[in-house]
Amino acid sequence: QKEVEQNSGPLSVPEGAIASLNCTYSDRVSQSFFWYRQYSGKSPELIMSIYSNGDKEDGRFTAQLNKASQYVSLLIRDSQPSDSATYLCAVNEGTGGFKTIFGAGTRLFVKA
Amino acid sequence: DTGVSQNPRHKITKRGQNVTFRCDPISEHNRLYWYRQTLGQGPEFLTYFQNEAQLEKSRLLSDRFSAERPKGSFSTLEIQRTEQGDSAMYLCASSPTSGRTLGSYEQYFGPGTRLTVT
Repeated sequence: QKEVEQNSGPLSVPEGAIASLNCTYSDRVSQSFFWYRQYSGKSPELIMSIYSNGDKEDGRFTAQLNKASQYVSLLIRDSQPSDSATYLCAVNEGTGGFKTIFGAGTRLFVKA
Repeated sequence: DTGVSQNPRHKITKRGQNVTFRCDPISEHNRLYWYRQTLGQGPEFLTYFQNEAQLEKSRLLSDRFSAERPKGSFSTLEIQRTEQGDSAMYLCASSPTSGRTLGSYEQYFGPGTRLTVT
């Protein structure tokens, strides 16, 4: 069974700080990686996708991928109270596979 | 609103009853997924379709669960003889294309159907 591991948190950061969220995965041949944000009682919302090693930036969000270490991270700069949510790491199985395995999520709390 | 829609949003049923949920994906999306999510866990893959073909089904899905997408548009998920352990949020998601371009792997979720089995 392929696995995606995340620290459940909660991760608490002050407003304006950088929040760093981490994820490891077990499938060595995975090629597609995603970060979703989920507010309490709502469905997941796609924030970032990343497919190549290195960094990918989109606004205040930066996704980082290291396939050799099987590690994905998400940095949120200038964190806002509205960023308080659960962040889900997701990985597609296999090479070019469409089945997605989600981690259990990390709860982030941004203090005003 | 052109996002993924799901109906009903909430369902309360007694143990042993059958329930059916519907998902309408974003209109141009060929791929459709079903997930189940319980409190404190990430979405758990159940099955996915490319057009009307069901291409993969989780081993976690017992014979009581069945999904269809008869015309490659909307999909239904049926649970027969519900059990209390089936209580969860059932999520549907869709992906843009049937190809293997990078964007075709991104999934967009509907609001979910919350099932409570009493």
